[in-house]
Amino acid sequence: GAGVSQSPSNKVTEKGKDVELRCDPISGHTALYWYRQRLGQGLEFLIYFQGNSAPDKSGLPSDRFSAERTGESVSTLTIQRTQQEDSAVYLCASSLRDSGADTQYFGPGTRLTVL
Amino acid sequence: QKEVEQNSGPLSVPEGAIASLNCTYSDRGSQSFFWYRQYSGKSPELIMSIYSNGDKEDGRFTAQLNKASQYVSLLIRDSQPSDSATYLCAGYSGSARQLTFGSGTQLTVLP
Repeated sequence: GAGVSQSPSNKVTEKGKDVELRCDPISGHTALYWYRQRLGQGLEFLIYFQGNSAPDKSGLPSDRFSAERTGESVSTLTIQRTQQEDSAVYLCASSLRDSGADTQYFGPGTRLTVL
Repeated sequence: QKEVEQNSGPLSVPEGAIASLNCTYSDRGSQSFFWYRQYSGKSPELIMSIYSNGDKEDGRFTAQLNKASQYVSLLIRDSQPSDSATYLCAGYSGSARQLTFGSGTQLTVLP
């Protein structure tokens, strides 16, 4: 595809439910990143993948959060037993490699609202 | 511990003026720096990247990096109302292999 795509664009869920957020990176990009952005805040790093390996999971806020990636393709971020503080925009980005010289291109995000 | 700090603003400048956005970072291992622009309700888009000390110019935008003082800045010349957005500074650490973002500076260019 032309850019990073994410689905759904909006998700409203009830507290305690599980949600899955999907990211399709730019074709050929080996690195994929997940960020969280709360209202009026900067981007909070969650996790990144090099291929389907996640070398750094330190940014995941709790064990309710998990992510996986199939090869160098789609990634899903799963939040179990959602809480109201999970409400935020979840942004996915991809880059050609996990190098500081490579630009990260962002998807449009998924706005998650936990009631 | 916040590793990248920005003045949250808001910063207002009149149309045609120079807007100056500043950022400091604490990780001396940070190798490269990026300025992203984010319009309200939209995802960030890259404006400038800079890797070496000094200035880098691209059209109306100039990024400045001073590794000794650990600061990065973005100058926007001839500011336009369409430049009104939140500007995010980010530093890349090779050891952590991640971008660390500041909280952003909200810029308003007044017509």
